[in-house]
Amino acid sequence: AQSVSQHNHHVILSEAASLELGCNYSYGGTVNLFWYVQYPGQHLQLLLKYFSGDPLVKGIKGFEAEFIKSKFSFNLRKPSVQWSDTAEYFCAVNAGNNDMRFGAGTRLTVKP
Amino acid sequence: GAGVSQSPSNKVTEKGKDVELRCDPISGHTALYWYRQSLGQGLEFLIYFQGNSAPDKSGLPSDRFSAERTGGSVSTLTIQRTQQEDSAVYLCASSKTRSSGVQYFGPGTRLTVT
Repeated sequence: AQSVSQHNHHVILSEAASLELGCNYSYGGTVNLFWYVQYPGQHLQLLLKYFSGDPLVKGIKGFEAEFIKSKFSFNLRKPSVQWSDTAEYFCAVNAGNNDMRFGAGTRLTVKP
Repeated sequence: GAGVSQSPSNKVTEKGKDVELRCDPISGHTALYWYRQSLGQGLEFLIYFQGNSAPDKSGLPSDRFSAERTGGSVSTLTIQRTQQEDSAVYLCASSKTRSSGVQYFGPGTRLTVT
């Protein structure tokens, strides 16, 4: 069964620091990859997605993620975080007709 | 242009009681999902509906959990004889189709079993 691992449970950064959140999945076939974000008190919402094509995908609010097939990874990055990026971030994988599988989430706290 | 709505937003119930949680998906979305979000556990898939097809119940943790979707729209998740370990946030999501991948989430129902 496919699974998704997020390596960091809680990340604390100061504003303007660079961010990289790790995500690895276990599935050998074609996958669709997602990062969702849940801001405090808000719904889960899509941050970015990868279906095919350029493995470097850009999402909202300056986030980007790189799909590295050989490493089964889809890490999320942002060059300079802001206080408003404080949220919980979930990596998710959908493999073919299988259901979406989510990672345990990474809580990001950005100190002003 | 309403999004996914869920009710109630909060539910406190006594151990052993039954609860029903409701989800209204985005109009026109054929796929509907239920997840459970527990602290530090991420999102746990529970059940999936696609159109008129038989639901995928593979994620339901026990036979106390059941769900139905009437008329291809509204869905109800029922938990019978609730236990304290059922306490969690129950999230509903919908998508245009299964293969489209992008899911739109509701605000969730926070269930507390005392």
